[in-house]
Amino acid sequence: EAQVTQNPRYLITVTGKKLTVTCSQNMNHEYMSWYRQDPGLGLRQIYYSMNVEVTDKGDVPEGYKVSRKEKRNFPLILESPSPNQTSLYFCASSLAASAHNEQFFGPGTRLTVL
Amino acid sequence: AQRVTQPEKLLSVFKGAPVELKCNYSYSGSPELFWYVQYSRQRLQLLLRHISRESIKGFTADLNKGETSFHLKKPFAQEEDSAMYYCALMNRDDKIIFGKGTRLHILP
Repeated sequence: EAQVTQNPRYLITVTGKKLTVTCSQNMNHEYMSWYRQDPGLGLRQIYYSMNVEVTDKGDVPEGYKVSRKEKRNFPLILESPSPNQTSLYFCASSLAASAHNEQFFGPGTRLTVL
Repeated sequence: AQRVTQPEKLLSVFKGAPVELKCNYSYSGSPELFWYVQYSRQRLQLLLRHISRESIKGFTADLNKGETSFHLKKPFAQEEDSAMYYCALMNRDDKIIFGKGTRLHILP
């Protein structure tokens, strides 16, 4: 089944403890992206990647890192999480960065930083 | 600044009545615009994109460059249309900017 998967789905952690949220797609998509969703703020793009080894900052990249070593995976890394990074995170992918291409979203990861 | 504005946080409409979800954008260039929908307990999914000029589930959206708008419309609301709707813009750098979303509630 063609899909975007994220792990973990739920995570509670403490300030400063490094964590990684994985994202994987099996559709051979070039474009991948991370968003955070916060009440009253909608979705905000954190980072995106046009292809392997190509990543760019979105609107809210501070405090996050990403890597794109292979096409299918796009992990989100929080080196030193803080409480203001408590949020619902979505990964998404599309065939390419184009208005013709639909973004497919993962199920979301709910992160709580204490 | 590049921005997508959805002025209504919540819109309640009676079943069978027309629906219009507003979306305005700020972008110096030719925008690529989308509407995404999130039904309860489901993933966010694409509803329609302006470049395809399509009608999905009875919804249409017309890009009005003069008014910088991309409002989502449906002539007759159905109960299954209740969901969270997001307008989004892709800029020339392939960055995607979402609006804050509008929750549509269809009243029986």
